[in-house]
Amino acid sequence: DIQMTQSPSSLSASVGDRVTITCRASQSISSYLNWYQRKPGKAPKLLIYAASSLQGGVPSRFSGSGSGTDFTLAISSLQPEDLATYYCQQSYSTPLTFGQGTKLEIK
Amino acid sequence: EVQLLESGGGLVQPGGSLRLSCAASGFTFSSFVMSWVRQAPGKGPEWVSTIRDSGDNTYYADSVKGRFTISRDNSKNTLYLQMNSLRAEDTAVYFCAKCSGTRCLNFDYWGQGTLVTVSS
Repeated sequence: DIQMTQSPSSLSASVGDRVTITCRASQSISSYLNWYQRKPGKAPKLLIYAASSLQGGVPSRFSGSGSGTDFTLAISSLQPEDLATYYCQQSYSTPLTFGQGTKLEIK
Repeated sequence: EVQLLESGGGLVQPGGSLRLSCAASGFTFSSFVMSWVRQAPGKGPEWVSTIRDSGDNTYYADSVKGRFTISRDNSKNTLYLQMNSLRAEDTAVYFCAKCSGTRCLNFDYWGQGTLVTVSS
């Protein structure tokens, strides 16, 4: 199974800050990497697919980059509504696997 | 608007069974691969099972293989997960998720989830 490791597990930042979250795969997954946002009590939401493609309706302050084993989710200017937990997920091979999550708090 | 509404969760004793349902609307259900994903308290999501649009091909995580069965009724726009021989470690929120593409390259829509608690 491909293991997905996110860092940090939590972070606190201020409104307007640039925030980055890292995801590392245990083997190369090309660009088969997705990012999801889960707000408390809500359904998970797809933000980024294929490592760097923005899902429709997602604000442009979100971006993704990387390929192979190392990936990054960036929020260019943090907004209060970005309070959530973020997960990466690989779709290179089954079983499809997720990272353990990064909990983002607003200072 | 795509909507996925899960139901059927609840409290069940170890060794028991439950059947989850997911009612889909807002898209052509019969044309899309569908999946179940679960999330235990304090853990990351875990893929459980996927079923092709026609229902002919199914895939399972090793942790549920032989105990869970995914199925769908395209005439009713409904996805199912039959869960047998439940264990404490199956306790989680279970999400129905729509796959984008024929290979389930990502989960582009999710339901709100239904809680399954396995406990005596």
